[in-house]
Amino acid sequence: DSGVTQTPKHLITATGQRVTLRCSPRSGDLSVYWYQQSLDQGLQFLIQYYNGEERAKGNILERFSAQQFPDLHSELNLSSLELGDSALYFCASSPATSVGYGYTFGSGTRLTVV
Amino acid sequence: GENVEQHPSTLSVQEGDSAVIKCTYSDSASNYFPWYKQELGKRPQLIIDIRSNVGEKKDQRIAVTLNKTAKHFSLHITETQPEDSAVYFCAAGYQKVTFGTGTKLQVIP
Repeated sequence: DSGVTQTPKHLITATGQRVTLRCSPRSGDLSVYWYQQSLDQGLQFLIQYYNGEERAKGNILERFSAQQFPDLHSELNLSSLELGDSALYFCASSPATSVGYGYTFGSGTRLTVV
Repeated sequence: GENVEQHPSTLSVQEGDSAVIKCTYSDSASNYFPWYKQELGKRPQLIIDIRSNVGEKKDQRIAVTLNKTAKHFSLHITETQPEDSAVYFCAAGYQKVTFGTGTKLQVIP
């Protein structure tokens, strides 16, 4: 157990639907990062939050949004889902806003859009 | 933004041989270079990292080297074992890290 908790582990939904992925960071970590990993692909950075505020944005689609709550857990909302959104979504956390401490990844949420 | 290139995309070695994975980065401000190992269906796990004020770091059979002038860094695995088979990702950054595209390493018994 890495200490980063992601729920659900698996999600199957239809095109056009909306889903919410949840991430609880490791105790004491203030930064949360979301990554998308499509089949046999690398890790595409979506967005970073630090202590409730958005800090960096990557190639995140307008249909996707995220937030970090006062208790530091984060949610990634995916709407108007398309087949191409099927992927493994990872959340990672780190102690600070700057790198140098390494990321701890959660086990991921596997999203299948049918 | 940062751009990280990683080579090779696949690598097969005989058990006991060495494996080398190379990465280049574009942003001279990057000061942190971690390496992650991802086994099939599992989460990426940090195996070693290096900061810009260090040229080389070793941890048992794993070593990483950094050349800031040339903007490239490498992962060296010696005496490879079948359990080293996985996808390895390099990354570089200062506020957040950008990952390379990954190297699928296969160690043949």
